[in-house]
Amino acid sequence: EAQVTQNPRYLITVTGKKLTVTCSQNMNHEYMSWYRQDPGLGLRQIYYSMNVEATDKGDVPEGYKVSRKEKRNFPLILESPSPNQTSLYFCASSLEGSFLMGQFFGPGTRLTVL
Amino acid sequence: GENVEQHPSTLSVQEGDSAVIKCTYSDSASNYFPWYKQELGKGPQLIIDIRSNVGEKKDQRIAVTLNKTAKHFSLHITETQPEDSAVYFCAASPRYSGYALNFGKGTSLLVTP
Repeated sequence: EAQVTQNPRYLITVTGKKLTVTCSQNMNHEYMSWYRQDPGLGLRQIYYSMNVEATDKGDVPEGYKVSRKEKRNFPLILESPSPNQTSLYFCASSLEGSFLMGQFFGPGTRLTVL
Repeated sequence: GENVEQHPSTLSVQEGDSAVIKCTYSDSASNYFPWYKQELGKGPQLIIDIRSNVGEKKDQRIAVTLNKTAKHFSLHITETQPEDSAVYFCAASPRYSGYALNFGKGTSLLVTP
C-alpha cells in the first residue's frame, strides 16, 4: 500500500530535549516536505526536499533541521525544542520533484513541548 | 511571499445543498492551485487541483474555478452529503519557487442531514 508513515504519532517532551520525528514513504517520490498545523494558522511549510541531499527552507524553518540521506526518509529534527513548537506536524511527498501530481500526506505527529 | 486568504472559516449547509469556498492569492504569477480535504485525525488529502491555463475543472460533485484577473479561485461542492463534512484547505504555488506551497487557513464545512 502506497503511504507516508510518521513516527511517533504522539510525543510529549520537555524544553531543550532533542527529538527526531521520522518520515518514510514507499512510493519512490523525489519531493518530500514537512508542515506544521496550528489552530487558526492552517498549514505552514517548514522544510522541503527536492531529492537526496537537496533541502530548502519553507516559511517557518527556525528551530528545525532536516536531512535527506536516502530517498525514502526525511526526518525532522528539533535540536532544542521549545513550547512554541507544540503543534501537529505533517510529512508529505510527491512524485517528480513537483506536487503537480498531488502531495501525499502522512497521518500526523502531535508534539507537545512542556 | 505568497499570501492566500480563504473564506469563510466555517460553513454549515443542509444535505443536498451546494457549498462554495473562496480563496484569493497575492502573486499574479502563481500557477497551481490545489484543494485539500482534511478529516478529523487524518492528514490532508488532495481532492482537486487546477493550473493557471485552465479556468474550470470538474470531478463529479466537485468543481474548481479560477479567475486569474481577479486572483481568486473557488471550490464548489454540489449535492452535499454528511461525509463531505471536513476542513478544506486551498493552496497556491508562488512564482519564486515551484516547490513551495502556501495554504489558506482552512474552512470547516458541516453538512447537516
